[in-house]
Amino acid sequence: GAVVSQHPSRVICKSGTSVKIECRSLDFQATTMFWYRQFPKQSLMLMATSNEGSKATYEQGVEKDKFLINHASLTLSTLTVTSAHPEDSSFYICSAPGQMTTSYNSPLHFGNGTRLTVT
Amino acid sequence: GIQVEQSPPDLILQEGANSTLRCNFSDSVNNLQWFHQNPWGQLINLFYIPSGTKQNGRLSATTVATERYSLLYISSSQTTDSGVYFCAVDNTNAGKSTFGDGTTLTVKP
Repeated sequence: GAVVSQHPSRVICKSGTSVKIECRSLDFQATTMFWYRQFPKQSLMLMATSNEGSKATYEQGVEKDKFLINHASLTLSTLTVTSAHPEDSSFYICSAPGQMTTSYNSPLHFGNGTRLTVT
Repeated sequence: GIQVEQSPPDLILQEGANSTLRCNFSDSVNNLQWFHQNPWGQLINLFYIPSGTKQNGRLSATTVATERYSLLYISSSQTTDSGVYFCAVDNTNAGKSTFGDGTTLTVKP
């Protein structure tokens, strides 16, 4: 089945530094990937849509300069949290539709998430 | 945007009991998935079910798209079923899913 790999699973960084999170589709190609954020005991909130070969689309209220997204290939999207602050501490999780050509009617496959702690 | 409501928010069961989790949504959808999030945060895909009924072992799900709801049934619950169950729907034709707030299930031995 479709597998999405996310790395790292945990990261602790100091305030003011930047952190890069990778999301890879291992056995399928994904022109679109999605990045979600989850605060403790809350639901998953969509942050942005990552588009291969073009700019990411951000949801309302998400700072594009804070959360840089790069979708450089059909199997890799990266999320960089720039100048991280303690309030950015959260669980970040990526997903990709299972089929390349019809993203709107395919199940989403999720990575295992990255738990970011900013001290 | 689409609204997704899950009920109940919390559920405590004795091992062996059955349960039904509900997901209501405010618009027609082309995708609906049920997930189980384990204590480590992993989202396990249970069902992809925009319509109809599916079964997988002790779990089954039914989506009545015309009435905008889906049900997840858990039979003979086990302690390993504990965790948060999310319903996620997509009505955008762009693959973007909106999650409900989840049902936190605790199964006691």
